[in-house]
Amino acid sequence: KNQVEQSPQSLIILEGKNCTLQCNYTVSPFSNLRWYKQDTGRGPVSLTIMTFSENTKSNGRYTATLDADTKQSSLHITASQLSDSASYICVVTGSYIPTFGRGTSLIVHP
Amino acid sequence: GAVVSQHPSRVICKSGTSVKIECRSLDFQATTMFWYRQFPKQSLMLMATSNEGSKATYEQGVEKDKFLINHASLTLSTLTVTSAHPEDSSFYICSARDPGGAERDSPLHFGNGTRLTVT
Repeated sequence: KNQVEQSPQSLIILEGKNCTLQCNYTVSPFSNLRWYKQDTGRGPVSLTIMTFSENTKSNGRYTATLDADTKQSSLHITASQLSDSASYICVVTGSYIPTFGRGTSLIVHP
Repeated sequence: GAVVSQHPSRVICKSGTSVKIECRSLDFQATTMFWYRQFPKQSLMLMATSNEGSKATYEQGVEKDKFLINHASLTLSTLTVTSAHPEDSSFYICSARDPGGAERDSPLHFGNGTRLTVT
């Protein structure tokens, strides 16, 4: 069964600090892995998309890593801002249909 | 700007009535769109895959007669919640894949969701 597990479930950090979110998956076959940011009451917005051969991809203060051997990905956020408070969702696509993680709820306090 | 438009953003209806939600791709033609529902503090749950010109594919446990999906054109898919009940109250989101690139590279674009409240 295809599964995507994210940790931690929730995270509270101070503004300006860095943080790392984790995503482990058991999706097969593997096509790509995406990280999305979802603000409350809004649809998810794509941050990064990575394929099998990519190890690292950055988008501004967001850096995603992928280890296809261990089937793990991380999303690192540097110099957090209040606007980073949101749910971060890891989505792994295998045979066309995406599998969603439960998300990590990030709260950035001033 | 938004590439997938979802309407309405919020709807309140009485129990027993039907509600239609529209999902439009604005800058591309989407042969496939996805419909999800999301309960508070839960992840998105895929309900069905909408295919232009053919019947939708429903996930296990999703009643196809209750959640009617129509994908009549390459830019529009609709989800109709028929005979809505309070337990159908949820956040419904659609997404579409931009076929401009290879599947492995093309991102899913999401609508901003529809908050359905059934009283």
